[in-house]
Amino acid sequence: EPEVTQTPSHQVTQMGQEVILRCVPISNHLYFYWYRQILGQKVEFLVSFYNNEISEKSEIFDDQFSVERPDGSNFTLKIRSTKLEDSAMYFCASSAVSGGYEQFFGPGTRLTVL
Amino acid sequence: AQSVTQLGSHVSVSEGALVLLRCNYSSSVPPYLFWYVQYPNQGLQLLLKYTSAATLVKGINGFEAEFKKSETSFHLTKPSAHMSDAAEYFCAVIPKQGGKLIFGQGTELSVKP
Repeated sequence: EPEVTQTPSHQVTQMGQEVILRCVPISNHLYFYWYRQILGQKVEFLVSFYNNEISEKSEIFDDQFSVERPDGSNFTLKIRSTKLEDSAMYFCASSAVSGGYEQFFGPGTRLTVL
Repeated sequence: AQSVTQLGSHVSVSEGALVLLRCNYSSSVPPYLFWYVQYPNQGLQLLLKYTSAATLVKGINGFEAEFKKSETSFHLTKPSAHMSDAAEYFCAVIPKQGGKLIFGQGTELSVKP
């Protein structure tokens, strides 16, 4: 069964460093998303991406964040200068153009900022 | 604005007992509602979804949920809890196709032997 994959599973970085989190959505999906979950809190929406552009973003998704679909399979989230409060689990999700509205989630990348 | 409220951050049941996890939503348009489960150190797995078809929705692992428009509720139930059901459960709503999922705070389910 097709699934969303994410790499790495765990990323440790120093405050101020840039990180890139990678995702491979399900191949025939066209909507892509990033969410994050700070430890012990609920899952929060960051950004959605469709037709090679951002379709919606939250107030969390400030100028330090960017997303890109560099090729036909990858979807990346970049944090330019990480802060301690960026430590969280980051989930990528994708959904098909039609049918079900269901979003399929990857296993997540745990980002730890020291 | 759409929102989701899950009543009870922790629910504990005995093995074999009924599981009831509560979810209420607010929505100005017909909602699309979901329950996701998150096992420790894992991602989010879809349990079931309501997309304006049957109001009683059956999902995986014996779970089901009933959409009640008059009560703006979408409670999750399972007749008989199993130890393997211990996890975090999230109710979520999507206002439109391709839109963001709005999650509730989550309910941690514990199952006692």
